[in-house]
Amino acid sequence: EDKVVQSPLSLVVHEGDTVTLNCSYEVTNFRSLLWYKQEKKAPTFLFMLTSSGIEKKSGRLSSILDKKELFSILNITATQTGDSAVYLCAVEAGWLGYGGSQGNLIFGKGTKLSVKP
Amino acid sequence: DAGVIQSPRHEVTEMGQEVTLRCKPISGHDYLFWYRQTMMRGLELLIYFNNNVPIDDSGMPEDRFSAKMPNASFSTLKIQPSEPRDSAVYFCATQGIGNTIYFGEGSWLTVV
Repeated sequence: EDKVVQSPLSLVVHEGDTVTLNCSYEVTNFRSLLWYKQEKKAPTFLFMLTSSGIEKKSGRLSSILDKKELFSILNITATQTGDSAVYLCAVEAGWLGYGGSQGNLIFGKGTKLSVKP
Repeated sequence: DAGVIQSPRHEVTEMGQEVTLRCKPISGHDYLFWYRQTMMRGLELLIYFNNNVPIDDSGMPEDRFSAKMPNASFSTLKIQPSEPRDSAVYFCATQGIGNTIYFGEGSWLTVV
């Protein structure tokens, strides 16, 4: 059965700390791994990773994928209270005949990050 | 663009009642997905459409759940009859050429 496991489930840090969120997966026909940030509303897209070893970076956030060991990490440096959210990892498992869609996303349960002032 | 628009934002209903959730996708997006999010199970794909045609409904939990997409600008997810265990946040999401999925704000359903 395809699965995505995130750790830790929750994390409390202080502003300025650096955090690393983990995502491991076991899926058939892996296509990509995505990170989302969910505050009180809908998940918002952060990164999509398809190749091993290539870091994606956006401001204080960065992420990298290891397709051999089947995991990804999301790093947040110099955390701020606005980073408090649930961070979701999702893996796109492809299927025959329907290229181009990310619909078959398998989500992890998320990591709840709380950043204290 | 207004993004993916869902309604209602919140609904509280009694067990046995019919619930209809609505979604207006981003214009031009060919794929539309319905997800359900609960604390226990996280985000789960229920069904998705491509060009208004249902492609995969294997995530729909029971026959009480049905979804339609009569045209490119509207989709519904219906639960009839509703049960307390259906309480969840239901997200509609769409995807266009850019390969990124955009989520609506969600419909928070409570069945009592």
